Formats: sequence, structure tokens, C-alpha cells
Amino acid sequence: QTQLVQSGAEVQKTGSSVKVSCTASGSNFTYHYLHWVRQAPGQALEWMGWFSPFNGNSNFAQSFQGRVTITRDRSMNTTYMELKSLRSEDTAMYYCASSIVAAGPFDFWGQGTLVTVSS
Amino acid sequence: QSALTQPASVSGSPGQSITISCTGTNSDVGGYNSVSWYQQLPGKAPRVIIYEVNNRPSGVSSRFSGSKSDNTASLTISRLQIEDEADYYCASYTKRSTSVFGTGTKVTVL
Repeated sequence: QTQLVQSGAEVQKTGSSVKVSCTASGSNFTYHYLHWVRQAPGQALEWMGWFSPFNGNSNFAQSFQGRVTITRDRSMNTTYMELKSLRSEDTAMYYCASSIVAAGPFDFWGQGTLVTVSS
Repeated sequence: QSALTQPASVSGSPGQSITISCTGTNSDVGGYNSVSWYQQLPGKAPRVIIYEVNNRPSGVSSRFSGSKSDNTASLTISRLQIEDEADYYCASYTKRSTSVFGTGTKVTVL
């Protein structure tokens, strides 16, 4: 069974970057897509992008194009999401989630990482 | 990509049935059977309760069921129970090989 464990809470300044990690345990993670989803306080879930385990490709929601990158350290079973040029509206809980195919469903979820952006 | 449209809130009494709608376009909900539903309890990560329109993962109550017609998917909760109080989100694959979530529905058990 796959478990996803994320890095701890972050406080960042506007204009800076944040990098959140998601480490998987479970033998089948190697072939799972890894998605990032965020949720601003009191708001809905927002899908950000996915990372393919097969060719290292990524695909992102238009609203995040050019500002987010997803990378993987295969040896450590860890996937990273970096969000640049932070603004106050990026304050949110960030979740990683896995799926067998890019279309989902998102069957396993991390516990979430709270990112707070302040000036 | 705009969020899929869900009602902000739905309520019902214990034992009743409720239905939550999720409206998109033919570029997402209407174009794919990759529609899923998630339950989110306060302070918790979401969990999938329906996938591929009408399939339940192992361990999910049979009181949850899904359907789809044209650009609208629906989640029905039968025999409503207190523990069903939560936020519910739909999600769909899109023609750009991305995913999109719904606006979310708060379910209240009266």
C-alpha cells in the first residue's frame, strides 16, 4: 500500500520560492503519476499539475504554467514541487496525490503541507 | 480551465437521499468517463469515494453512487448518516490532459 509523506509547514516572503517534498513508501509507487493539489483557506481544491513516472514529463494547469516545476529523485522515492514568485494568494495547504494513470483517480494522498506567504 | 460547477451546499435528514451535481463541458465531464468524487472531512486530506463515474473503491459504503449524463455528473448519497457531513468535490480529466476539480459542496445532515 502506498503512503505519501510530505515535508513540514513553510513560511515564505512574497516574491520568493518554496519547494515541498512528497516521499512515497510502497513498492508500486515507481509507476504512479504524482499530482499536486492545493487548497486555500476555506476554498475549493485546485489541481496544479502531474509528473509522469515513465518519461519524467509534467503537465500543469494553465494558471500555474511557468511558475511551478515538479521533479523526482527516484532513488529516494521523493517528488518535489517548486512554486516560484510567491504571492499572498499562494497561501494554502498543498497536497500530493498519486494515480495509476494521468486521468486519475487520485487514490493516495499526502497529509498536506501548509505554505504561508507573507510580506 | 474553469472549475466544474457544484451547488455550494446540500442538506438532508438522516435516512434521506441527496444528490450533488457537477457540471462541466464537453471538454471535460462530457468528453471522458474519468470523473471521480472525493470526500473531505474537516482538517483532513480528501479521499476518493467514486471513480470512473460510478465505481466505488474497496471499503467505500454502497450508499455512495455516481452517474453521468452529457456534461453533468452526479453523486447520490442514500440513507444519509451523520458521518456523511463533509465537503464533497468532483474532478474530471480534460482534453488538455489535465484535471479540474469542482467548486465543492458542503453536505449538512439536519
